[in-house]
Amino acid sequence: SQTIHQWPATLVQPVGSPLSLECTVEGTSNPNLYWYRQAAGRGLQLLFYSVGIGQISSEVPQNLSASRPQDRQFILSSKKLLLSDSGFYLCAWSIGTDTQYFGPGTRLTVL
Amino acid sequence: TQLLEQSPQFLSIQEGENLTVYCNSSSVFSSLQWYRQEPGEGPVLLVTVVTGGEVKKLKRLTFQFGDARKDSSLHITAAQPGDTGLYLCAGESLDSSASKIIFGSGTRLSIRP
Repeated sequence: SQTIHQWPATLVQPVGSPLSLECTVEGTSNPNLYWYRQAAGRGLQLLFYSVGIGQISSEVPQNLSASRPQDRQFILSSKKLLLSDSGFYLCAWSIGTDTQYFGPGTRLTVL
Repeated sequence: TQLLEQSPQFLSIQEGENLTVYCNSSSVFSSLQWYRQEPGEGPVLLVTVVTGGEVKKLKRLTFQFGDARKDSSLHITAAQPGDTGLYLCAGESLDSSASKIIFGSGTRLSIRP
C-alpha cells in the first residue's frame, strides 16, 4: 500500500531563516506530487506540483521554491522566511490526474 | 479562473440533526472528491464521484454529483460529534491542462453533543 510522509511535523523558525520541508512517498512509482499551504481553518492553496523528476510548476509567485531530486521525494524550500509564510503545509500525491492523497502536514510558525 | 464555492462556510448544529453542504462551480468536472480534515492533520478522502447524477452513500453520509457535473452535495443524517471537521470538495476540471485539482474553501462543521 502507498504511504506518504512529511517532516518535520512542526517547525518554529525566525524571520529571515532558511526552510526545508521534505515529503516522501512509498509504494508507488512516478507519482504526481504537490505542495499546498493552508491558512487556519481555510481551503488549500496549491503552491507547486511536479509530474516527474526535476519538473516543477509554480502556481503562485513567492519566496518559496520546490525541488524533486528523486522520483518519490519532494522538497519545499526558502532562503529567507517571511512572517506570511506561517501556515500548515501539506504534501500530496496522485497517479496522473486521479484523486490526491495527503500527508500529515507540517505546521510552520515564523516569528 | 475556475472556482469551487462551498456553502455554508461554517455550520454548528446539535447532535442528531441532519445537514447538507454544497459545492458549486460554473465549470464542468470530470470527477469530484470530498475530503474531511481534522485539526493538525491532512485531509482524508471520503468519496470520489464521477458520473453526472451519481449518488454514493458512506454510512450516514450521502454524496451526490450534479447531472451537469458542475456541483455536488454532501448530506449527513443524524450528525454525530465525530462528524466534526473541515469538509473540502475538490474537482478535476475538464478544462485543466495540467495535473492539478481545484479545491473549494471548505465548510467547517461543528456538532454539539
